[in-house]
Amino acid sequence: QVQLVQSGAEVKKPGASVKVSCRASGYTFSDYYLHWVRQAPGQGLEWMGWIKPNTGGTKYAQNFQGRVTMTRNTYISTAYMELNNLRSDDTAVYYCARDFYNGGSDYWGQGTLVTVSS
Amino acid sequence: SYVLTQPPSVSVAPGQTARISCGGNNIGSKTVHWYQQKPGQAPVLVVYDGSDRPSGIPERFSGSNSGNTATLTISRVEAGDEADYYCQVWDGRSDYHIIFGGGTELTVL
Repeated sequence: QVQLVQSGAEVKKPGASVKVSCRASGYTFSDYYLHWVRQAPGQGLEWMGWIKPNTGGTKYAQNFQGRVTMTRNTYISTAYMELNNLRSDDTAVYYCARDFYNGGSDYWGQGTLVTVSS
Repeated sequence: SYVLTQPPSVSVAPGQTARISCGGNNIGSKTVHWYQQKPGQAPVLVVYDGSDRPSGIPERFSGSNSGNTATLTISRVEAGDEADYYCQVWDGRSDYHIIFGGGTELTVL
């Protein structure tokens, strides 16, 4: 069965960086785009960008350009999202999600809570 | 940038029909998806490409998309449908690429 398993919760100080991993199983990793989406406490969903695992190509949302980097390691079927220069309003649950059809995501990771606090 | 507008809340009695709208400029020309999210859980795709259902999603969930409004319709609403619902637009030709609506809280009375 398809599974996306994310790394555990993180606590970071303002100005630091965080790197969240997303390990895929149950399907061919290179065949599907992966999205990263975040959700601040009590707020809605915010798309951050996608990575195309077979080439490493990326597309980032304008709000995150210059501060986010998405990478992957195809040998271990794992994608990564690194966010730099963290601020308190980056406190959120970060999800990876497999693209099913033109941005629609059929499988999601369990989410990783990133807390930014001094 | 592109903006999607959803009503903050919708209330419906069990067995009735819930309709959740998602407004956007010429949204009928774009690809629209809908998600259900329950507290503490990841979102679940309930409608994709405007009106198609992923496998395992009940036929009670349907969607339409035309003009400036996309709509998620939930027929014969059950208590278990109580959740937040988000629309999502994909437009690969645009700068924004993917946008979510602000979400609608569905309350089953």
